[in-house]
Amino acid sequence: DVKVTQSSRYLVKRTGEKVFLECVQDMDHENMFWYRQDPGLGLRLIYFSYDVKMKEKGDIPEGYSVSREKKERFSLILESASTNQTSMYLCASILGQGAREQYFGPGTRLTVT
Amino acid sequence: GQNIDQPTEMTATEGAIVQINCTYQTSGFNGLFWYQQHAGEAPTFLSYNVLDGLEEKGRFSSFLSRSKGYSYLLLKELQMKDSASYLCAVRDEAGSARQLTFGSGTQLTVLP
Repeated sequence: DVKVTQSSRYLVKRTGEKVFLECVQDMDHENMFWYRQDPGLGLRLIYFSYDVKMKEKGDIPEGYSVSREKKERFSLILESASTNQTSMYLCASILGQGAREQYFGPGTRLTVT
Repeated sequence: GQNIDQPTEMTATEGAIVQINCTYQTSGFNGLFWYQQHAGEAPTFLSYNVLDGLEEKGRFSSFLSRSKGYSYLLLKELQMKDSASYLCAVRDEAGSARQLTFGSGTQLTVLP
């Protein structure tokens, strides 16, 4: 069974803290993605990776960085969390560029106070 | 760039049929996807269209017209469990690793 897991379902952090969100997939997928989802704005792409150590900016990369040291793991880093980064963060993966289905993790609800 | 529009909310009655529309303007196109997302859960894949026409899958069907930049998701014999957000997404041109651009989603409420 296909599986994308995220390290936390709920997280509360203080302004200025460094935050790590981890995502692991067990399907040997090449491409992995980080989105944030906010009411009225839908899913917006933060960063994506198409191979180990490869990364590209999405639509809203400011304030975020990513790391992909192993194929199965894609980390999202908030260097200095701010209140406007309070959101639902969703990780996803897909086998390759022509594959149909993008699989999502359960999401991490991050609150920055 | 990509621009995807879909209605914010829709309401329908149990047992009825509902059509959720999606229009898009994109610089490249390699497929249109529909996802279902229940409150507090991750999106799950419903359908995929890359050629014009209707794709049927049980109670759900999806239609695509590439020349019009238009798609719809048709839900028949609505059930209470169909209350969810429905996301339209467009895949960028072939060879792009970027994958999907999502619309804001349509929140469907099914009433008894």
